[in-house]
Amino acid sequence: NAGVMQNPRHLVRRRGQEARLRCSPMKGHSHVYWYRQLPEEGLKFMVYLQKENIIDESGMPKERFSAEFPKEGPSILRIQQVVRGDSAAYFCASSPMPGTGGNTGELFFGEGSRLTVL
Amino acid sequence: GQNIDQPTEMTATEGAIVQINCTYQTSGFNGLFWYQQHAGEAPTFLSYNVLDGLEEKGRFSSFLSRSKGYSYLLLKELQMKDSASYLCAVRDSNTGKLIFGQGTTLQVKP
Repeated sequence: NAGVMQNPRHLVRRRGQEARLRCSPMKGHSHVYWYRQLPEEGLKFMVYLQKENIIDESGMPKERFSAEFPKEGPSILRIQQVVRGDSAAYFCASSPMPGTGGNTGELFFGEGSRLTVL
Repeated sequence: GQNIDQPTEMTATEGAIVQINCTYQTSGFNGLFWYQQHAGEAPTFLSYNVLDGLEEKGRFSSFLSRSKGYSYLLLKELQMKDSASYLCAVRDSNTGKLIFGQGTTLQVKP
């Protein structure tokens, strides 16, 4: 059973370009979360999605950032017109529905996508 | 909203015991998680507490007091490979999202 798959692992963009980060959740998981992490800092919540539905986007910047989790295919985090401050590691995590099957609702993380903006 | 506090850095000696504290203030609580993250790697799940008390899992234990908004992670028989960041996270009861503290970087010395 493959874990959470993120790609690309590393992405370099120039200021003003677009960055697209993809995340395929673990098999059987219907919930996807995106977090941003700067060096030496914790994980900052960005957005929480189910298939075709945004549950909580309270951590997403209002401009330039968007996320989707379509019925088919991976979840996408899209950053338009990137700036140097967007340079960070972006982690995706997935979970089954909390409380189902006796699980704790723990999150399973991917290896992250490291965005560098020149 | 939520506020989660943990020490930024700790140092301990190989073979010793270390306790990493976490305090939280939250408008809705539905469980507390501890994760381990080695530099440049993904966070991995260590423990989960939703009721008061101690949960033990091998060399790692986690404690929760909901009335005090307090948890700790206890690591016994420290090994060099335990050098990592330890992240405390609280689940929001309204939406189910996990909110993380800034993490505690633990350095284990010989």
